[in-house]
Amino acid sequence: QVQLQESGPGLVKPSQTLSLTCTVSGGSISSGSYSWSWIRQPAGKGLEWIGRIHTSGSTNYNPSLKSRVSISVDTSKNQFSLKLSSVTAADTAVYYCARWWDPWGWFDPWGQGTLVTVSS
Amino acid sequence: EIVLTQSPGTLSLSPGERATLSCRASQSVSSSFLAWYQQKPGQAPRLLIYGASTRATGIPDRFSGSGSGTDFTLTISRLEAEDFAVYYCQQYGTFGPGTKVDIK
Repeated sequence: QVQLQESGPGLVKPSQTLSLTCTVSGGSISSGSYSWSWIRQPAGKGLEWIGRIHTSGSTNYNPSLKSRVSISVDTSKNQFSLKLSSVTAADTAVYYCARWWDPWGWFDPWGQGTLVTVSS
Repeated sequence: EIVLTQSPGTLSLSPGERATLSCRASQSVSSSFLAWYQQKPGQAPRLLIYGASTRATGIPDRFSGSGSGTDFTLTISRLEAEDFAVYYCQQYGTFGPGTKVDIK
């Protein structure tokens, strides 16, 4: 079955750009009616959807983060990536990648998550 | 933008009891787009219910979902030890704040 795994730096300095990659295994990122999404969760808080990308390249972002977010896909590597610019301490969170079922928007499966701390 | 509200914030119950969790949308949503997730400490969320009432693969039948329009419900018929967790409803890019089900 499809599995997702996040990777990237666990510590990012304020004002810099957070970069994470999600590797999809067990299936092709290009197959089926799916998009690929990022979601985050600050410690002790709820879930916040960041955005999604279809393998066609089309993207949708959370309006609250849209000015700072970019999601891209590399089908040759079966990966998709997140870039979040101008980070502050408020961006400290566990970041999850997940498969988005088009057109309904359900998330399944999820990666295990990776903690990113923004600190100098 | 649709806002999802979940109630109660915390539900304290004993194993074997029935849990009823509510999710209310600020405007009518299609049932097809409504999903429920379970999250245990230190773990990623897991899809429980999609399309408001369809159990995801491997989800026990003690979990059921219902509702339409603006009001949706997740019911756990008889709580087992592994069911104590936080539950989130979700519609497209919006999550509810969650309901924590803890042991009484």
